[in-house]
Amino acid sequence: GAGVSQSPSNKVTEKGKDVELRCDPISGHTALYWYRQSLGQGLEFLIYFQGNSAPDKSGLPSDRFSAERTGGSVSTLTIQRTQQEDSAVYLCASSLGVSGGNTQYFGPGTRLTVL
Amino acid sequence: GESVGLHLPTLSVQEGDNSIINCAYSNSASDYFIWYKQESGKGPQFIIDIRSNMDKRQGQRVTVLLNKTVKHLSLQIAATQPGDSAVYFCAENRGSNYKLTFGKGTLLTVNP
Repeated sequence: GAGVSQSPSNKVTEKGKDVELRCDPISGHTALYWYRQSLGQGLEFLIYFQGNSAPDKSGLPSDRFSAERTGGSVSTLTIQRTQQEDSAVYLCASSLGVSGGNTQYFGPGTRLTVL
Repeated sequence: GESVGLHLPTLSVQEGDNSIINCAYSNSASDYFIWYKQESGKGPQFIIDIRSNMDKRQGQRVTVLLNKTVKHLSLQIAATQPGDSAVYFCAENRGSNYKLTFGKGTLLTVNP
């Protein structure tokens, strides 16, 4: 079956503009995660969705960042008034459920460049 | 603070040799560990995982060892191939927490 997909693969934007990044999780996976990866760094947790529960937004770096998950499937990460420090690869992952130990499967990421 | 980290940022091996990538963790409550492989321009790819009730787990050409006494995790790759060249991340899951905490990664380079 298909893995996690993300779009666009690359996004170049100007400082101050808003961007939307999309994630399609693996079919049947109820948990969805967003991470950010800066150049040469590990992954930084941003936000987590599980079913119809309230998302865990504790990793979002500022109120310019928000995310939605519609219908328990597709998710959109929105960054408003982008800044140069927002430049990074944004990775989405999904897993079967909520309990600890569920393997997270990652998409290819969206490379965001803010000029 | 609590963290997951790697001993070696880079590792260079000859094709056919065995590779060992190490990882240290600081939280004794961690009970699930995963190794991911990330090739340039791609997302992390699951390699192998291990739970804290195990000391060793083997996959195809890969073995993960967990030493809970010293909070140390390692990934062994047998007969390393050029296609194994990538950044390898360890990640931990703490208790029932769904968040994965990642180390910074080790760059493995396989020389022909």
